[in-house]
Amino acid sequence: DTAVSQTPKYLVTQMGNDKSIKCEQNLGHDTMYWYKQDSKKFLKIMFSYNNKELIINETVPNRFSPKSPDKAHLNLHINSLELGDSAVYFCASSHPGSSYNEQFFGPGTRLTVL
Amino acid sequence: AQTVTQSQPEMSVQEAETVTLSCTYDTSESDYYLFWYKQPPSRQMILVIRQEAYKQQNATENRFSVNFQKAAKSFSLKISDSQLGDAAMYFCATMNRDDKIIFGKGTRLHILP
Repeated sequence: DTAVSQTPKYLVTQMGNDKSIKCEQNLGHDTMYWYKQDSKKFLKIMFSYNNKELIINETVPNRFSPKSPDKAHLNLHINSLELGDSAVYFCASSHPGSSYNEQFFGPGTRLTVL
Repeated sequence: AQTVTQSQPEMSVQEAETVTLSCTYDTSESDYYLFWYKQPPSRQMILVIRQEAYKQQNATENRFSVNFQKAAKSFSLKISDSQLGDAAMYFCATMNRDDKIIFGKGTRLHILP
């Protein structure tokens, strides 16, 4: 009965490859997010997405693209992986308009680019 | 622009003692939320406590409480009766009405047995 799940938990790949990280939430939330946590543990939002709007952090390279097949999923596609993409990526979801607007986080995916 | 500052990269506290983690923030919003998240070695982000900016009363969750000073834009976290399981990275965060969360850089808390 995991609320927000991500697969895979660990991803090791070569520079230049294209990879995807999947995220699913079973909370019925309208909005989903992707965060990147760098080696210094700093968390930074990459995208937020609901049925109506994709908001992109302007610092995110266009090699990164979110894809949402339905309201419960927001997958992260990364093209032409670079060494600097190595990080932990967190998916989260929330239901705007709820009392606290709390974001629920997935367990994270550790991406290592060699 | 919203910013969140955690000035203590690391802290240590003796088991069963009380520790306070500091956080200051800056926002031009009048309506916002404040959070403390805990990230243990498992990497899972766990919400510890939340506070609505319009509420004057400090939030409390069992051994965790906050000292919210709105005028000073300060939101410190107090952990009472520290336990070994409290060892983790702690992130302070603000969220405005657009649901955009801004995190501080985190404070690593060590619990000394």
